[in-house]
Amino acid sequence: QVQLVQSGTEVRKPGASVKVSCKASGNTFTNNYMHWVRQAPGQGLEWMGVINPSGGRTSYAQKFQGRVTMTRNTSTTTVYMELNSLRFEDTAVYYCAFSAAGTAFEIWGQGTLVTVSS
Amino acid sequence: QSVLTQPPSVSAAPGQRVTISCSGSSSNIGIYFVSWYQQLPGTAPKLLIYENNKRPSGIPDRFSGSKSGTSATLGITGLQTGDEADYFCATWDTSLTTWVFGGGTQLTVL
Repeated sequence: QVQLVQSGTEVRKPGASVKVSCKASGNTFTNNYMHWVRQAPGQGLEWMGVINPSGGRTSYAQKFQGRVTMTRNTSTTTVYMELNSLRFEDTAVYYCAFSAAGTAFEIWGQGTLVTVSS
Repeated sequence: QSVLTQPPSVSAAPGQRVTISCSGSSSNIGIYFVSWYQQLPGTAPKLLIYENNKRPSGIPDRFSGSKSGTSATLGITGLQTGDEADYFCATWDTSLTTWVFGGGTQLTVL
């Protein structure tokens, strides 16, 4: 069974960067996808992009193009999401989510709260 | 403003049945699978339904999904107080080239 464990709470100033990690256990780095989805306080879910952990190929939502980078380390079965030029409105819980078939977000990490505050 | 439209809230008594609608368009629900997620307070979303009407292992058959045209519906029977949560629908949108979500529906079990 796949399990995803994310890194802890982060606080950043506007203009800074943040890098969130998501460590996967189980057979997760073969022919599957790892998505990043965020949720602002009291708001809905917003898809940021996806990485194929085995090959490293990425696809980002247009809204985040140029500001987000998703990477992976196959030896530690960890994927990363880095968001640059942070703004107050980037304050949110960031989730990684595993998808084997590509038709749904099957397993979710516990979430990482990123707060952007001056 | 979410691409997929859900009612903000629904409510029903314990043991009753409730449905939650998710309305989209020909560029999303009309041509792609719909999935549904349950988010209990303070926790991460959990997959309830995938590919319109399939349940992952461990999800009780009280939860069901259907799709017709550009709309989808989540049904929950035998409501329990533990079902109180936010429910989200999701699918891919070919025009926006992004996954899109409904705004979420808060279920209250009275």
